[in-house]
Amino acid sequence: GAVVSQHPSWVICKSGTSVKIECRSLDFQATTMFWYRQFPKQSLMLMATSNEGSKATYEQGVEKDKFLINHASLTLSTLTVTSAHPEDSSFYICSANNADTQYFGPGTRLTVL
Amino acid sequence: QKEVEQDPGPLSVPEGAIVSLNCTYSNSAFQYFMWYRQYSRKGPELLMYTYSSGNKEDGRFTAQVDKSSKYISLFIRDSQPSDSATYLCATGIQGAQKLVFGQGTRLTINP
Repeated sequence: GAVVSQHPSWVICKSGTSVKIECRSLDFQATTMFWYRQFPKQSLMLMATSNEGSKATYEQGVEKDKFLINHASLTLSTLTVTSAHPEDSSFYICSANNADTQYFGPGTRLTVL
Repeated sequence: QKEVEQDPGPLSVPEGAIVSLNCTYSNSAFQYFMWYRQYSRKGPELLMYTYSSGNKEDGRFTAQVDKSSKYISLFIRDSQPSDSATYLCATGIQGAQKLVFGQGTRLTINP
């Protein structure tokens, strides 16, 4: 149980385009989902907390107009990287809360050319 | 000072050894403690979850929390090459809410 999926697993896009990443809780409902960013050999950096039916809460330094988060249902949250640039290339991971802990998706590797 | 400190390693041990991974934290309000294992280019996988002080055992893994010294540990017995990964400690005031992660320790088990 407590499986979280992400789609796509990897994406390559041109600079200036937008990319949408989906995060789904497959066998449970999650009122809260989290989006993280991870650079090579570094720990997870929390970008935002996504609550179903309300606006996301962004961490300090994260541009909310660039990283659009939508949590339309109890099983789906999306992260859209708008007008992507090479510096946005990273590994993006979501997690979903279930009971008293968080379960992570497999991650999405974004490469912006 | 970081809220959670974890030695990034790398740590390399022979197969069959007992591995000890540790973290310290600064916020006494933290009550939930987790250990995640992350293989390269994959999302973190929940290994152990404990609430408050004490020990919790699951197979070859034992998680230990000492709230008095703000110290958390993960022990791996009879380590296997498949245990080679990065291990992340995490803690929070509420387990399902915002977590604070350690830097992660890169562990290699040599056959």
